[in-house]
Amino acid sequence: EDKVVQSPLSLVVHEGDTVTLNCSYEVTNFRSLLWYKQEKKAPTFLFMLTSSGIEKKSGRLSSILDKKELFSILNITATQTGDSAVYLCVKSTGFQKLVFGTGTRLLVSP
Amino acid sequence: ETGVTQSPTHLIKTRGQQVTLRCSSQSGHNTVSWYQQALGQGPQFIFQYYREEENGRGNFPPRFSGLQFPNYSSELNVNALELDDSALYLCASSLDRGEQYFGPGTRLTVT
Repeated sequence: EDKVVQSPLSLVVHEGDTVTLNCSYEVTNFRSLLWYKQEKKAPTFLFMLTSSGIEKKSGRLSSILDKKELFSILNITATQTGDSAVYLCVKSTGFQKLVFGTGTRLLVSP
Repeated sequence: ETGVTQSPTHLIKTRGQQVTLRCSSQSGHNTVSWYQQALGQGPQFIFQYYREEENGRGNFPPRFSGLQFPNYSSELNVNALELDDSALYLCASSLDRGEQYFGPGTRLTVT
């Protein structure tokens, strides 16, 4: 069974902290690795990673992929309460089927 | 440009009933994918429709079926509902099976 494993499952931090979310995946039919943020219902797209070692950045968020070790990390610096959400790591296969991890639930306390 | 919309927002059904969920894809998109998200879990791929044809299916029984219309909107039908079918059902649209944009979901409760 195709799997994406995320850790930790949940995390509580204080505003201003830096967090690192981890994701490992299986190599079968790998096309790209995606990160989504899910607050209430619809997951919203954060990053798509296809090449190893190239960091993608968007404001305080950044992400990188290691295709040799089959993992990715998502970093959030200077966290804010608005960053509280479930962060989903997703593997996209050659058939555009998305395989989701169970997510990391992040709570940023004021 | 309108985003992905889904209807209804919430739905309560009883075991054994049938349900139809609807999804309107984002303007210009021709691919729709459906996902089931149980509480506390990541979404699970149900199937994908590309230009009105099923284009891949996850590990769901045949009582989960779908349809895509010429305007690329889509329906998800579930027959003989079971308690475990209670979940958030998400649809996502894309252009030519590219990056997927998610709708707000339909929360289905089966009692």
